[in-house]
Amino acid sequence: QSALTQPASVSGSPGQSITISCTGTSSDVGGYNYVSWYQQHPGKAPKLMIYEVTNRPSGVSNRFSGSKSGNTASLTISGLQAEDEADYYCSSYTSSSTRVFGTGTKVTVL
Amino acid sequence: QVQLVQSGADVKEPGASVKVSCKASGYTFNNNYMHWVRQAPGQGLEWMGIINPSGTSTTYAQKFQGRVIMTTDTSTSTVYMELSSLRSEDTAVYYCARSRGYQPGETWGQGTLVTVSS
Repeated sequence: QSALTQPASVSGSPGQSITISCTGTSSDVGGYNYVSWYQQHPGKAPKLMIYEVTNRPSGVSNRFSGSKSGNTASLTISGLQAEDEADYYCSSYTSSSTRVFGTGTKVTVL
Repeated sequence: QVQLVQSGADVKEPGASVKVSCKASGYTFNNNYMHWVRQAPGQGLEWMGIINPSGTSTTYAQKFQGRVIMTTDTSTSTVYMELSSLRSEDTAVYYCARSRGYQPGETWGQGTLVTVSS
């Protein structure tokens, strides 16, 4: 199972919106609405930001939103803030009943 | 509060095995599956497998088939991940994560650094 494809880096200025893509296949992202997004700061455990494509856990800012079209899922961060600077990973359920993470995206706030 | 507390860092020689524990508290252990995820230094997240609370059902990533065994102890609400035939590429931080639906959820352990070195 190959890792899902994410851009290596995305950057934006404070207040701007950015979108991170996560491309898989019809056997993972495209086949199921079980895509999650995680934020990870250096030296910390990952934090769940979005689950089941569009849902935000309690306590996660509504500046974070998720969507999916075909084999590509996306995470949008609106009103970018300095604290959003981190690594972001997508994850999907697969047709083999396994899970697969994305390659990871480093978000830089300029 | 909901918490997962993992065992401490470990150093192993190549070819050895390591067993990492993950003790759950603050919720009903039998309600959630548990994932194991690892992260090599400077690398991304890698899903290893999932186990149900009773320990009767496991699914492992193909990469680890034959080398990983996940078990549970319901009497202590603890999940274990044992990885054998260790090589230097297995040096990583290993995380347990409570499942939310089909995926790792909000609750993660603090991570356990396993170093494989002679």
